[in-house]
Amino acid sequence: TQLLEQSPQFLSIQEGENLTVYCNSSSVFSSLQWYRQEPGEGPVLLVTVVTGGEVKKLKRLTFQFGDARKDSSLHITAAQPGDTGLYLCAGLPSGSARQLTFGSGTQLTVLP
Amino acid sequence: NAGVTQTPKFQVLKTGQSMTLQCAQDMNHNSMYWYRQDPGMGLRLIYYSASEGTTDKGEVPNGYNVSRLNKREFSLRLESAAPSQTSVYFCASRAGTSVSYEQFFGPGTRLTVL
Repeated sequence: TQLLEQSPQFLSIQEGENLTVYCNSSSVFSSLQWYRQEPGEGPVLLVTVVTGGEVKKLKRLTFQFGDARKDSSLHITAAQPGDTGLYLCAGLPSGSARQLTFGSGTQLTVLP
Repeated sequence: NAGVTQTPKFQVLKTGQSMTLQCAQDMNHNSMYWYRQDPGMGLRLIYYSASEGTTDKGEVPNGYNVSRLNKREFSLRLESAAPSQTSVYFCASRAGTSVSYEQFFGPGTRLTVL
């Protein structure tokens, strides 16, 4: 199993603050996805990064794929209460085992 | 489009009872998946079906069986439920195996085994 470690596991911040969530592995991935999950619902895709060093922006969210395609980060600028949720990274391993491996998740709470 | 639907939403079983979780997608996707989600452990793959007529084990298949009834439907069966199977179960589907393809998830089934 390709292990993906996310940090921090829990994060509670005030509205307007910035934050970064990390997703790390010793394995190489063909691509990496970030999902957000709200209580009582399934995860919803935010972004997919494919190329080493790739940076994608989605409004106040910035996603980066590491140069070696082993790690990724999610940065949120000026967090809002609507950003509250469980953030999951998921990597598609290189090679023949083409099933997503999910990280353990980061529970983000943004307080008004 | 309803996307991915799951039934039931909630279920309580006694140890040893059996049940089947149902999943259907209306997006004409080839691949379907069953995951379980436990606190602090993210999503773990139980079984998947890359196409109609095929099923394969994932990371945690013990105690489960699956059936890919047709392209739309993929069911998960617990033959003899155990307390360790208390979890939230998610079904997902995906158009293909390209690196950029999104997985679409259902709303989940919350299962408690007493």
